Amino acid sequence: DTGVSQDPRHKITKRGQNVTFRCDPISEHNRLYWYRQTLGQGPEFLTYFQNEAQLEKSRLLSDRFSAERPKGSFSTLEIQHTEQGDSAMYLCASSLALKDRSVYEQYFGPGTRLTVT
Amino acid sequence: RKEVEQDPGPFNVPEGATVAFNCTYSNSASQSFFWYRQDCRKEPKLLMSVYSSDNEDGRFTAQLNRASQYISLLIRDSKLSDSATYLCVVNTPNDYKLSFGAGTTVTVRA
Repeated sequence: DTGVSQDPRHKITKRGQNVTFRCDPISEHNRLYWYRQTLGQGPEFLTYFQNEAQLEKSRLLSDRFSAERPKGSFSTLEIQHTEQGDSAMYLCASSLALKDRSVYEQYFGPGTRLTVT
Repeated sequence: RKEVEQDPGPFNVPEGATVAFNCTYSNSASQSFFWYRQDCRKEPKLLMSVYSSDNEDGRFTAQLNRASQYISLLIRDSKLSDSATYLCVVNTPNDYKLSFGAGTTVTVRA
């Protein structure tokens, strides 16, 4: 068990609805990442936070997607007006970035599987 | 061209066999390299970090060739429990995100 938790594990929603996912990283980790994975592909980077600051967003993250990490601990990913193409596994990962290290292994949570009907 | 490319397999091997597969990456400035293992419908789990040309962890050996921009993974004495998808992962020069290959599927049969 890596210690990253995600909720819910599964979500089925109708097209046009809004959904929100939560990620709780490993407690001492200061970086938090969101990825999306579709069948037969590796995870694709969406966005990441260093503490509470959102430092990078992929162009995959359309305006319908928003992520927050208000207190530098847990994070939420919201998708507004869901589309069938949003169906995927949404993975959260965390890492500990230290100034004296150059490699930061990322540890993944179990993911939230979204199905948009 | 994809940042990270892998042979999708599948590699079907008998228990006890050795299996090896490669991954190539496009960005010569890439700094860090990893192999993750992913079981069906589960999250990726870190298998090995690859820091130098040869890295060994038990039955697993990863090789990094920066000149040719490839990483390989070799599994010796395969176990049934090694059946999984192995994801080749490369760290971008900016460090904050990982770029994943699509994975190589390995099936170990009894």
